[in-house]
Amino acid sequence: ELKVEQNPLFLSMQEGKNYTIYCNYSTTSDRLYWYRQDPGKSLESLFVLLSNGAVKQEGRLMASLDTKARLSTLHITAAVHDLSATYFCAAPLNYGGSQGNLIFGKGTKLSVKP
Amino acid sequence: EAQVTQNPRYLITVTGKKLTVTCSQNMNHEYMSWYRQDPGLGLRQIYYSMNVEVTDKGDVPEGYKVSRKEKRNFPLILESPSPNQTSLYFCASSPIPGSSSYNEQFFGPGTRLTVL
Repeated sequence: ELKVEQNPLFLSMQEGKNYTIYCNYSTTSDRLYWYRQDPGKSLESLFVLLSNGAVKQEGRLMASLDTKARLSTLHITAAVHDLSATYFCAAPLNYGGSQGNLIFGKGTKLSVKP
Repeated sequence: EAQVTQNPRYLITVTGKKLTVTCSQNMNHEYMSWYRQDPGLGLRQIYYSMNVEVTDKGDVPEGYKVSRKEKRNFPLILESPSPNQTSLYFCASSPIPGSSSYNEQFFGPGTRLTVL
């Protein structure tokens, strides 16, 4: 059974600081997804990581994937208040994702304070 | 605009009164799914569909029904709602991966359901 675990689940940061959110998954997967959710809103796709060693960056967020370690990271650089949200990672239920289902982590609630 | 729509966005109902939440996507996606989101429990899958007339149970299907008669629509039916079905519901769709696509899921805006 595929399990996706994120840590930390809650993260309170000061503006300007750096931090990393970790996403571990339990079975072989060739891809990993990151989503952002603002309070009361829907999930918005942030990054799609499709291969070992993939790295993607958008503004102050950078995501990477190590399929051998079954680990993805979401690194936050010089945090600002606008990054406050809940971040989810998700892995396909089967290798290659052909079946369609994604298994989501429980989410990391990030709060950036001045 | 490519999107997943859900209706209604908010609904307050009473125990036992049948309701349907509609979901529609305009991206010609084969795969569609329903999730519920509850505090501390994350996203849990209710049902999913890999194509027209093909549906299957997710992790928490009890008390729900779905149908997929057309590719674009995937309604969620609660035949006899109960208070433990009070939740935030999301519909999502994605292409089935092929040589030029990958199963990034696109989410609808959510339906907040309260069952009294």
